[in-house]
Amino acid sequence: GENVEQHPSTLSVQEGDSAVIKCTYSDSASNYFPWYKQELGKGPQLIIDIRSNVGEKKDQRIAVTLNKTAKHFSLHITETQPEDSAVYFCAASPAGGGADGLTFGKGTHLIIQP
Amino acid sequence: DAGVIQSPRHEVTEMGQEVTLRCKPISGHNSLFWYRQTMMRGLELLIYFNNNVPIDDSGMPEDRFSAKMPNASFSTLKIQPSEPRDSAVYFCASSLGINEAFFGQGTRLTVV
Repeated sequence: GENVEQHPSTLSVQEGDSAVIKCTYSDSASNYFPWYKQELGKGPQLIIDIRSNVGEKKDQRIAVTLNKTAKHFSLHITETQPEDSAVYFCAASPAGGGADGLTFGKGTHLIIQP
Repeated sequence: DAGVIQSPRHEVTEMGQEVTLRCKPISGHNSLFWYRQTMMRGLELLIYFNNNVPIDDSGMPEDRFSAKMPNASFSTLKIQPSEPRDSAVYFCASSLGINEAFFGQGTRLTVV
């Protein structure tokens, strides 16, 4: 089955700086790669996703890059703000969130220092 | 839409008791997923349904766990008998086709 590795487990950055979280996956059949943000006491919420026919996707301060050959993808957050503090999860799936479920990484606790 | 609704939000039960967690997916969604979140193992997929039919339950840890989806608007996850190692946050999620999966707020289960 799929295995998703996520690094780092904790990331502390100064407000206004950029944050990068990296993930690798093992199953070459995976084609859908979402990123979820989880705040304390809440369920994960999708912030951005990318499919294998695209190498990069951007939404305001958030961007995701995908390298299918190397089987890795990354989340980039620019101009970080205090409200970006949360746990971020990467995930992978052969088709999409609704087809057969997601395999998640272990999460990154992002801390934005004022 | 109110999103995915799970109940109860918190459940404390004694070892050996039966526990039933409930989920109402987003109206119109045709896939439903149950996940478990622990510090040690992270977010794990337990089982998922497409059009109310269980597709893959390979993530269900033991026979003590069972899940049903009697109709498109309701699903249950049952643990019988419960054990302390079942303590975790259980999430239900739903989606339409291959689109984004929306998660509920979760049920925090504590088995003492």
